[in-house]
Amino acid sequence: DAGITQSPRHKVTETGTPVTLRCHQTENHRYMYWYRQDPGHGLRLIHYSYGVKDTDKGEVSDGYSVSRSKTEDFLLTLESATSSQTSVYFCAISWRDSYEQYFGPGTRLTVT
Amino acid sequence: KQEVTQIPAALSVPEGENLVLNCSFTDSAIYNLQWFRQDPGKGLTSLLLIQSSQREQTSGRLNASLDKSSGRSTLYIAASQPGDSATYLCAVLSQGAQKLVFGQGTRLTINP
Repeated sequence: DAGITQSPRHKVTETGTPVTLRCHQTENHRYMYWYRQDPGHGLRLIHYSYGVKDTDKGEVSDGYSVSRSKTEDFLLTLESATSSQTSVYFCAISWRDSYEQYFGPGTRLTVT
Repeated sequence: KQEVTQIPAALSVPEGENLVLNCSFTDSAIYNLQWFRQDPGKGLTSLLLIQSSQREQTSGRLNASLDKSSGRSTLYIAASQPGDSATYLCAVLSQGAQKLVFGQGTRLTINP
């Protein structure tokens, strides 16, 4: 257990509504990541953060934004959810960008 | 662009057997390679991390090897148990990159 929680764990929402997922860590890790996992595509990086207010895009960032105002929290926002964003979302943390990553339990998001 | 492949996609063996899971990657300029385990509906659990300067890492019944020149890593599981049944994922962090690139995983079933 790397002290990572994600909320909510499950969410069903309608197309066009905004959604925010939260990742919370208790161990002061500098690096935090958001991934999505889909059958046939595996795990893909959405956004990552290397410090408070420091974020960058991953390979599938379109339609997503992130914010990190505190070390312990990394928020992922879908401004206007689409059915293609139905997925399982995982948060991960690491001490440095080249260090071992630890994953949270995931959030299952369904967009109807 | 780094690509990671895991073959086979699924493997079923009787309890007690020693087995090897394979991971190959296309670009040998890597920082590290990480093996994960994922149980159905759960997050990823880090099993082993091999830095680019290392040849292998061991944890209990697990041994991971790395051959950068050939672009290969193997995860050896000794004396397999039904509790080892899960999907095993390898992920590569390339030099100069901030993201892990994941393979599609091998779904392992250990039959009692």
